[in-house]
Amino acid sequence: DAGVIQSPRHEVTEMGQEVTLRCKPISGHNSLFWYRQTMMRGLELLIYFNNNVPIDDSGMPEDRFSAKMPNASFSTLKIQPSEPRDSAVYFCASSLWGGRDTDTQYFGPGTRLTVL
Amino acid sequence: DAKTTQPPSMDCAEGRAANLPCNHSTISGNEYVYWYRQIHSQGPQYIIHGLKNNETNEMASLIITEDRKSSTLILPHATLRDTAVYYCIVRAFSGSARQLTFGSGTQLTVLP
Repeated sequence: DAGVIQSPRHEVTEMGQEVTLRCKPISGHNSLFWYRQTMMRGLELLIYFNNNVPIDDSGMPEDRFSAKMPNASFSTLKIQPSEPRDSAVYFCASSLWGGRDTDTQYFGPGTRLTVL
Repeated sequence: DAKTTQPPSMDCAEGRAANLPCNHSTISGNEYVYWYRQIHSQGPQYIIHGLKNNETNEMASLIITEDRKSSTLILPHATLRDTAVYYCIVRAFSGSARQLTFGSGTQLTVLP
């Protein structure tokens, strides 16, 4: 089975540019999560979707960040304009949310973003 | 979610069992114990989870004490590829809070 797919795997851009990260969740999963990992802050949740609807975006740093999930098999995380402090590894994860004890999150390989 | 305590690092000889402990003395009755690992530069990888009973899958075994205040992840035959940071996470399935909170974890180094 294909796991969570993320693209690109590496992105180098200059400050002020728009960056778009992409994620394809595991087929059949109904929840999708965007996390960011840095040395200073560890792994932190940015936003998650349930059935394509954003449920909790309290972790989104500021208005420069936006996320969409137009359908069950695709999500994007956009940063506009990007800043050097956005440099991090961004992970996408998906799960099958059953409301009880089913919410095991499976992570993608991540996108390493470097903003110069 | 309950707080967890893990040793910062452990070594294990290749081919031997690796036993990784986790303390979660404030765990609530509806909270599960999850284990993930992260190999350098890769995404966190789910290993196993459990509530009360011991669990086993193709990767590992999870032993939870009867009072549920601690648990041990067992990798039965560690290989060099098992070198990673292992995270013990305690979480409940309630409300809208679904974030996995990764602590510092245990750096497991499997030695040849």
